[in-house]
Amino acid sequence: AQRVTQPEKLLSVFKGAPVELKCNYSYSGSPELFWYVQYSRQRLQLLLRHISRESIKGFTADLNKGETSFHLKKPFAQEEDSAMYYCALKGAGSYQLTFGKGTKLSVIP
Amino acid sequence: DGGITQSPKYLFRKEGQNVTLSCEQNLNHDAMYWYRQDPGQGLRLIYYSQIVNDFQKGDIAEGYSVSREKKESFPLTVTSAQKNPTAFYLCASSPWTSGTGELFFGEGSRLTVL
Repeated sequence: AQRVTQPEKLLSVFKGAPVELKCNYSYSGSPELFWYVQYSRQRLQLLLRHISRESIKGFTADLNKGETSFHLKKPFAQEEDSAMYYCALKGAGSYQLTFGKGTKLSVIP
Repeated sequence: DGGITQSPKYLFRKEGQNVTLSCEQNLNHDAMYWYRQDPGQGLRLIYYSQIVNDFQKGDIAEGYSVSREKKESFPLTVTSAQKNPTAFYLCASSPWTSGTGELFFGEGSRLTVL
């Protein structure tokens, strides 16, 4: 079975402060990890995926297989980063994407 | 205008009634999905379909049914057997053959059982 855990329901940070949204997973094989974001009144959308090793809107995430983690980081939070963030996992060869419960990020001006 | 269209946006139903939520996509995607979103629960997979005329149960399929007669359509029926149907339902599609794992979501349908 595959499982994604996001330990924080809500994370509040001040503008300009660093942000780290935690994600841990449980999967026996080689997973593919993703971060999805839902801004207010907008559709849920892909933010980034670990295989691309890209930085989107200043966010990065590194897959740590030893710690089974895929934490999302940004050095300086902006007000427009306030949103709901979901970590998701796809097993190799699978069509099923499993989501965590989400973390609401609130950036305080 | 390309994308995923869900209808209706809001739906009320009485207990004991079945209700069908529509999901249409014009992205030519192979795979389609239904998720249920509840506060504090995140997204939970109800059903998914990789190709036409084929679909698989997700984690919480009990009380739901789907069909995939056309590539662009994946309706979800919430039956009277679903014990707690009041929720926000999200449909998604994916060009799975591309291997990217990216899902494209609709705006959702909010079902309230009175």
